[in-house]
Amino acid sequence: DQQVKQNSPSLSVQEGRISILNCDYTNSMFDYFLWYKKYPAEGPTFLISISSIKDKNEDGRFTVFLNKSAKHLSLHIVPSQPGDSAVYFCAASGKASEYGNKLVFGAGTILRVKS
Amino acid sequence: EAQVTQNPRYLITVTGKKLTVTCSQNMNHEYMSWYRQDPGLGLRQIYYSMNVEVTDKGDVPEGYKVSRKEKRNFPLILESPSPNQTSLYFCASSGGGPGELFFGEGSRLTVL
Repeated sequence: DQQVKQNSPSLSVQEGRISILNCDYTNSMFDYFLWYKKYPAEGPTFLISISSIKDKNEDGRFTVFLNKSAKHLSLHIVPSQPGDSAVYFCAASGKASEYGNKLVFGAGTILRVKS
Repeated sequence: EAQVTQNPRYLITVTGKKLTVTCSQNMNHEYMSWYRQDPGLGLRQIYYSMNVEVTDKGDVPEGYKVSRKEKRNFPLILESPSPNQTSLYFCASSGGGPGELFFGEGSRLTVL
């Protein structure tokens, strides 16, 4: 039973437009949410995170939104650039005191930004 | 440069031949973990270690062993590999903050 779900395996967006990647979770004990980005032949790299006490976190072109009541988060990339083409993983963590640094990952969404 | 180094990056082996994938980090991180990535399943945790001599099972530990004798190293051992362990493996470490992991570049393992 996947606790973190990314229901869109892939997304194609035109350069300059907005990319919206979605993620749903089932465990209400999750306390912290992250997005990782992965290029081919490389390891995932941390992109942006959000604590459950917030509903939005912004870092440059990247914004993560959290809707706790819907157990849903999304990553917005504006404007999208060809270099953003990668696999994006959503991840969730419980309280560090209970889960250590255990992360539960979604299956990933492949983003293609067309120039 | 801060990094997590895995070796080998690519390996083809046969069923039952013991192998070890090494992982080393130079950031003095206490937490280290192994993940495997499979299509449609994302990254699943195999084992993790909160500190030296402290290890615990993740979500898919069957068929794997780990050890943490030194802070910087966290090898993954496959005592008797089987074809269902064909996968892309990632080692990761973290020094603080929930979940912000530094990943290695990955080790692609094929078991025939």
